[in-house]
Amino acid sequence: AIQLTQSPSSLSASVGDRVTITCRASQGISSVLAWYQQKPGKAPKLLIYDASSLETGVPSRFSGSGSGTDFTLTISSLQPEDFATYYCQQFNDFSLGFGGGTKVEIK
Amino acid sequence: QVQLVESGGGVVQPGRSLRLSCAASGFTFSTYGMHWVRQAPGKGLEWVALIWYDGSSKYYADSVKGRFTISRDNSKNTLYLQINSLRAEDTAVYYCARRQRSRLDYWGQGTLVTVSS
Repeated sequence: AIQLTQSPSSLSASVGDRVTITCRASQGISSVLAWYQQKPGKAPKLLIYDASSLETGVPSRFSGSGSGTDFTLTISSLQPEDFATYYCQQFNDFSLGFGGGTKVEIK
Repeated sequence: QVQLVESGGGVVQPGRSLRLSCAASGFTFSTYGMHWVRQAPGKGLEWVALIWYDGSSKYYADSVKGRFTISRDNSKNTLYLQINSLRAEDTAVYYCARRQRSRLDYWGQGTLVTVSS
């Protein structure tokens, strides 16, 4: 099974900061990668799919890039509502996997 | 609007069985594959199972294979997860989610399953 490794596992940042989260796959997955945001007590919310496509309704400060094994999620200017945990996700051979998550906290 | 509403969770003794349900509305349920994903308290997301739009194919995580069964009733717009021989490590919030190609575009609010004697 393909493993996804996210880094860092947590980070502290201030409102207005540029934040980058990385996700590395144990083998190439082309561009089949999605990113989700999860706030405490809530279901995950889809942000990015196919590595770089912005889901409808998601603010443009969120962007994704990468292909093969290395991917990034970038928040260009962190807003108060962006403090949450972020997960990457891959789908391969009818099996789905998530990264371990990155918790973005207030500095 | 798309809505997914899970139910059926609760406190269950180890070794017992439980069936979770996910009621779908706001879209043509019979044309979408569906997933179950779980999240243990304070932990990350873990994929559990996938079922094809027509129920013809089903896929499971290795950790649940043989104990969990995913199914659906398209006439009732409902997804199910049958969990047998419950273990403490099955304690989690269980989410249903709609499959959109390789991603999960809509999620329910989750139902909590607690396995405890």
